[in-house]
This record gives sequence, structure tokens and C-alpha cells, in this order.
Amino acid sequence: RKEVEQDPGPFNVPEGATVAFNCTYSNSASQSFFWYRQDCRKEPKLLMSVYSSGNEDGRFTAQLNRASQYISLLIRDSKLSDSATYLCVARTGTGGFKTIFGAGTRLFVKA
Amino acid sequence: DGGITQSPKYLFRKEGQNVTLSCEQNLNHDAMYWYRQDPGQGLRLIYYSQIVNDFQKGDIAEGYSVSREKKESFPLTVTSAQKNPTAFYLCASSTKRDSYEQYFGPGTRLTVT
Repeated sequence: RKEVEQDPGPFNVPEGATVAFNCTYSNSASQSFFWYRQDCRKEPKLLMSVYSSGNEDGRFTAQLNRASQYISLLIRDSKLSDSATYLCVARTGTGGFKTIFGAGTRLFVKA
Repeated sequence: DGGITQSPKYLFRKEGQNVTLSCEQNLNHDAMYWYRQDPGQGLRLIYYSQIVNDFQKGDIAEGYSVSREKKESFPLTVTSAQKNPTAFYLCASSTKRDSYEQYFGPGTRLTVT
């Protein structure tokens, strides 16, 4: 079983739609969680950290459910520019070297 | 502007040759990392360094070597011992506190034939 699992997609949605991604992690000791965005053939870019209380940044909302060991990302009012791969990330222990990246979920937003 | 730079962007080599990928950061981060990304897979950690003159093997260190002589620089050498070197190589850095958010350079796409 992978330490961080995501539905690879692709998710094909029209502009303006709301789309949700879920991700599960296997290590209950994981402490920090993130969502990264990766455009085709580019580096991952930090989209947002995920806090236990949930957090929102504009059209993006991230949630963490420690009991079920899953993380979610909700994108409202999708834009064409949101088309990318979204990576779910979990960190365990002290130090960035225990950071595990999911394989990503591809999103295509169409006009 | 603060950031991470990697060079070159694309690199082509013949099998059997060693090649060194550059990574420089001016974010004043203590920790630096090298990852490899293959199609359809998550990033896999090759090496990391938490402080100058110290580095540790990650999950897939075989066939790779690194050095950390300066805080700003963490070059990666892909040796001829690496069996499948063709991949997208990403360098990242982070602070050594809080949540250790990692920031990435633009990557080097290495093709070995």
C-alpha cells in the first residue's frame, strides 16, 4: 500500500464547476500536510498547507480528517488555469526528509 | 528575488557517463533535497542535507552522489552505476522548523541514451 494515495483521475470538469480531490495517508504519525500544484513538465508549487481546523484560500479549501487519515481539496468556480496535477503531501516526524508525495490527481477544466 | 535555480533545464548524455546537476538557493534555507520524478509516480527522495557538510541517503540513493560544501549549493551527480537515470530531477529546500514546507527549483530533465 502506498503511503499517500490519490485518485489519478483525470477529472474533466467545465469552467465554473466545483471539484473535490481526496487523498489518504497510511502513517498515523504524519504531522504536516500540504497540497502542491504541478503544471505539465514544471516543478511542484506549494498551493496550501492543510490544518486540522481546515483552511481556505480564495476558491480553495483544504480539510484534514485525522481519524480517517484523509485530506481533501475543494476547488470552487473552476478556471481554465486550474488545469494541472494536484499532489497530496504528508510529512512524518521531525525533518523534511520524511515528506511523502502522492502521485497526483490530474484536473482538466474545459470551457 | 529569492528562489531555487537548477541548471541545465535539459541534459542529454550517453550511457556510461557521469553527469552533475546544479542546484542553488538564496532562500537561506538549511535543508536541501533531491528528488526524482518518473511518469505517473510520486516524487522519490534521492538525498537530503540538513546542514552544510552533512548529507544523508534517501530512498533511492544508489547510483547517485552529492556534496554540500556551501549552504546555498547542493549538486547531484548521476553516476554510470545508476541503472535507469532518465528522469525529471527536482531540487528543493526548506527551513528546519515549523512544517518544513519545501520549495522546488524548476527541475532538470535528464535523458541518457
